[in-house]
Amino acid sequence: GESVGLHLPTLSVQEGDNSIINCAYSNSASDYFIWYKQESGKGPQFIIDIRSNMDKRQGQRVTVLLNKTVKHLSLQIAATQPGDSAVYFCADTEAAGNKLTFGGGTRVLVKP
Amino acid sequence: DAMVIQNPRYQVTQFGKPVTLSCSQTLNHNVMYWYQQKSSQAPKLLFHYYDKDFNNEADTPDNFQSRRPNTSFCFLDIRSPGLGDAAMYLCATSRGPGTSGYEQYFGPGTRLTVT
Repeated sequence: GESVGLHLPTLSVQEGDNSIINCAYSNSASDYFIWYKQESGKGPQFIIDIRSNMDKRQGQRVTVLLNKTVKHLSLQIAATQPGDSAVYFCADTEAAGNKLTFGGGTRVLVKP
Repeated sequence: DAMVIQNPRYQVTQFGKPVTLSCSQTLNHNVMYWYQQKSSQAPKLLFHYYDKDFNNEADTPDNFQSRRPNTSFCFLDIRSPGLGDAAMYLCATSRGPGTSGYEQYFGPGTRLTVT
């Protein structure tokens, strides 16, 4: 991911609607990609991951899409709920890498 | 439950007074990380240990040090905290490189206030 500065982009979504969060990464050698959810005052929590040999992976209410051609990652949340309100970070690493490179984060606000 | 534990959750220290934050894990993971996170920013990696091997990030100030006395524990020492060091400090662990080793498991963080 790419750190984009001090201002977090915000996605405001109506409860029940689908959310799409986007992330650009810069390292063409990145092999593993992960999405984290961070609620206020807590540590990041794993949501879903994907390897570079896949372009789509689904979890419970979440789908991650990977487009290696344009180095783009997205997280789709189906039927967004109030508990989904948080900051979402993408991160990536190379094969055999120990370190994650975090993107700048997107704040999701769910409106009742 | 296996987890990453950080103590204390909130720490207040005075300008220039050394402070130590602690992290422990029950996951038996090889790698332990320390991150600094300021408001509305992504976590910033300070350093990590792969087993006993210490790996410092190039832009981590000398004011920040770390110790890992055993697999389970890792400490972050801030020798002379400045006002700019006020932040959330996150500890994380991972198994290490491999087919399933990339995910990092984060602790709840320690919120550091410098007065």
